[in-house]
Parts: sequence; C-alpha cells; structure tokens
Amino acid sequence: GDSVTQTEGQVALSEEDFLTIHCNYSASGYPTLFWYVQYPGEGPQLLFRASRDKEKGSSRGFEATYDKGTTSFHLRKASVQESDSAVYYCALSDRGGSAKLIFGEGTKLTVSS
Amino acid sequence: GGIITQTPKFLIGQEGQKLTLKCQQNFNHDTMYWYRQDSGKGLRLIYYSITENDLQKGDLSEGYDASREKKSSFSLTVTSAQKNEMAVFLCASSIGHLSGNTLYFGEGSRLIVV
Repeated sequence: GDSVTQTEGQVALSEEDFLTIHCNYSASGYPTLFWYVQYPGEGPQLLFRASRDKEKGSSRGFEATYDKGTTSFHLRKASVQESDSAVYYCALSDRGGSAKLIFGEGTKLTVSS
Repeated sequence: GGIITQTPKFLIGQEGQKLTLKCQQNFNHDTMYWYRQDSGKGLRLIYYSITENDLQKGDLSEGYDASREKKSSFSLTVTSAQKNEMAVFLCASSIGHLSGNTLYFGEGSRLIVV
C-alpha cells in the first residue's frame, strides 16, 4: 500500500539555521502531497500542498517541491525561528481516490535562540 | 471559519472498559475522520465517514467502533480499553471525500488507561 517516510525523527537547530526535513513517498500515479504542522497543544494544520510533478508548495517561509523522479517532497526553510518549533508531518492522498491522508512518522523540530 | 471540538480532552478509564470520545464540527463538512497519534508512528486512520450514517474502516479499526448519527458529529468508542492504547485521538473533517481536500483537525483527546 501507499506509504510516507520521514527520515528525521527529531531535529535541533539554532535560530537562523537552514532547515531540511526529508520526505519520501511510495504510491502509484500522482498522489497529492501535503505538509502539516502541529504546535504544542494543538491539532495538525495544513502548511501547504502540491499536486503535480515539479510543483512548489510554500507558506510562512517553508517550501517543498514535488519530485516524482525521486518520489520526494522535502521541506526546507532558509532561516528558522524559535516560533517554528513544532512537529512536522508529511502526508499523501491518493489522487483519484479519497481524501483520507497517509501520514509519515513526524519530525519534531526544536529551535533554540 | 469553523472549529472542531473534541470531548473530553482527557479520558481516564480502566482496562477492559468501554470508552467513548466525541467530536463536533461546525464547518458543515461532509467527511469526518478519527486518527490515532502515537509518538514516532505518526497519525494512523481508525475510521472515517463520507457522510451522515456512513462508516468506512481505516487501517487501525480493530478494537474500535464509530458512529455518525448526524452530519456535525462523529464519535469513536474503544470497545475494551488496553494499556497499550494510551495515545492521542484526533478528529478531523474535510469539505468532501475526494483526494486533495484539506483536513481540519481538533486539538485531540488523550486516552489514559489505568
């Protein structure tokens, strides 16, 4: 079945560092890919999505590019802030299928000042 | 905008007990979901409902029942609570059931089994 893999379980950075969280997926066709962010005490919320090969999603300084060749959707931010500390989830929904999402394991980002 | 309200925020029960979590949404969304969140395992789908009175099993449905008696509410029952089921349960909704729709989540309900 379809799956999503996030390589990093935890990432610790200092303010203004560059962030990369790796996300690889396994699915047939062209799934829609998502990044969700979960702040402490809250539910996950959509950061952005992408539906086509080479499409870039972006929000709040975060970005990721849909790459069907490498089946990846890596999250990047040039300069992180303490307020970015949260858990980040990569997810997919099967295009042409239902909206139910398959999530990766999540990456906990901690940014210190 | 809208909101998803999950009750209770903390649910404490004994092993073997039947426990129910409730979820209400005022988005007027058709589709609702229950996910289980375990640290290091991400979110896994338990049940979802495309519309009122519809139920679809997710990958983790064994040991759970669900009920969607009206459009705005979706409840989840743990049929016999076990200590290895202590987790956060997240309710979500989406405007439709087709791929690409955004899911909106509640804040979660934490299950504690003693």
